[in-house]
Amino acid sequence: ILNVEQSPQSLHVQEGDSTNFTCSFPSSNFYALHWYRWETAKSPKALFVMTLNGDEKKKGRISATLNTKEGYSYLYIKGSQPEDSATYLCARNYGGSQGNLIFGKGTKLSVKP
Amino acid sequence: NAGVTQTPKFRILKIGQSMTLQCTQDMNHNYMYWYRQDPGMGLKLIYYSVGAGITDKGEVPNGYNVSRSTTEDFPLRLELAAPSQTSVYFCASSLQGAEAFFGQGTRLTVV
Repeated sequence: ILNVEQSPQSLHVQEGDSTNFTCSFPSSNFYALHWYRWETAKSPKALFVMTLNGDEKKKGRISATLNTKEGYSYLYIKGSQPEDSATYLCARNYGGSQGNLIFGKGTKLSVKP
Repeated sequence: NAGVTQTPKFRILKIGQSMTLQCTQDMNHNYMYWYRQDPGMGLKLIYYSVGAGITDKGEVPNGYNVSRSTTEDFPLRLELAAPSQTSVYFCASSLQGAEAFFGQGTRLTVV
């Protein structure tokens, strides 16, 4: 089973709120975990790629953590802004088949001013 | 630097027609991917390639074919278009295990 699960499906927050999303994946044969930001009518853009258990990455107000042993990753947004409104996707590469880049269904974030 | 270029941007096909969606990248990436985006379903992997001459099926390959004769190009072929293939198609490329770069998408409608 290669399913990548994301929760919640959607999230509505007020400007200034901090929020987080979850990505769950099978822990076996892990190679890399990706996070992408996807704005409406545009193409997905990479935020982070993480490979090591315990990895933490940060870009401005957005950060991510990775637990490969239990098969989950968290994405955090601190002080959400309306421009953070987008769908956030996670995806997993599988060892031995790194081309098999499988995406979850995404978490749609709406930030109200 | 053009990145990943997809053509056409839009296309309407009649049931049973064939077409090829073109994808080219200029970043010398060995990995290339084709995805389709369906409402509420995120991105589903159709086919991928880890290098010229090597392709493999993804999650939803039925009704599609691909080839990879060069590093730069990864066309997706629909042989007998069906309404279920109405979707937005994205091509992407990457180095092994690294972030994927996406094209702008092709919106295909089969009527």
